[in-house]
Amino acid sequence: DQQVKQNSPSLSVQEGRISILNCDYTNSMFDYFLWYKKYPAEGPTFLISISSIKDKNEDGRFTVFLNKSAKHLSLHIVPSQPGDSAVYFCAAKEGGQFYFGTGTSLTVIP
Amino acid sequence: DAGITQSPRHKVTETGTPVTLRCHQTENHRYMYWYRQDPGHGLRLIHYSYGVKDTDKGEVSDGYSVSRSKTEDFLLTLESATSSQTSVYFCAISVVSGPNSGNTIYFGEGSWLTVV
Repeated sequence: DQQVKQNSPSLSVQEGRISILNCDYTNSMFDYFLWYKKYPAEGPTFLISISSIKDKNEDGRFTVFLNKSAKHLSLHIVPSQPGDSAVYFCAAKEGGQFYFGTGTSLTVIP
Repeated sequence: DAGITQSPRHKVTETGTPVTLRCHQTENHRYMYWYRQDPGHGLRLIHYSYGVKDTDKGEVSDGYSVSRSKTEDFLLTLESATSSQTSVYFCAISVVSGPNSGNTIYFGEGSWLTVV
C-alpha cells in the first residue's frame, strides 16, 4: 500500500503565479520529508526538505509546509517560471528507507 | 553532482536473460539504493544497502538481487529478465545534510532497460 500519495497527476499554472503541489502520507514514523524535481531522461534532483519537527522551510522561490496532524505536506513555488515545468516527487524517510509518491507533472504556461 | 555513475545507460535484452546494472559512487557513502520508475507508480525501492555485504529488500524486490562487495559499487541483477521489468532504474546514495538535518538522497542519471 502506498505510504506516500500525490493525488494530482498534473497541474498547470500561469507564469508568475503560485504553484502548489500536495502530498499526503500515512506513516507517522516518517521523520524527514523531501521534494524532488525530474526532467525527462534525467535523474530526480533534490529541491528542498523539512524535518518532522518543523512546519515550514523556505529556500528562495520554494517553500515546503508540513502539517503533521493532517499528515500532509505541500510545496509552494512562487513565482512560477517556465523552467519549473517538470515532474515533482515528494518523499518521506523512515530509518534508512525513502518512500516516494507517484509524482505530479507541473506545466508552467508562459 | 553526487558522484554517481550508472552503467549501462541503455540496454535492450531478451526475456529470460540475466542482466546486471552497475552503480558506482566516488564518495564512500554508506547507504546506496536501487529504485525503478514506472508511469503511475512513481519511484519504488527495489533493494538498498547500508554497508559492504549488508543489503535489504525494498517494496518490489521479487526477481531482483543485489550485491555490494565494495563501498563504491552496488550491483543490481535481474536473474531472468521479464517484460514487466522494462523500466528506468535509478541508483541513489544517502548523504547527511547537516547537524540539524536528515539524510538527503541523491540520484544517478538512470539506466533505461527494455526487455523484449
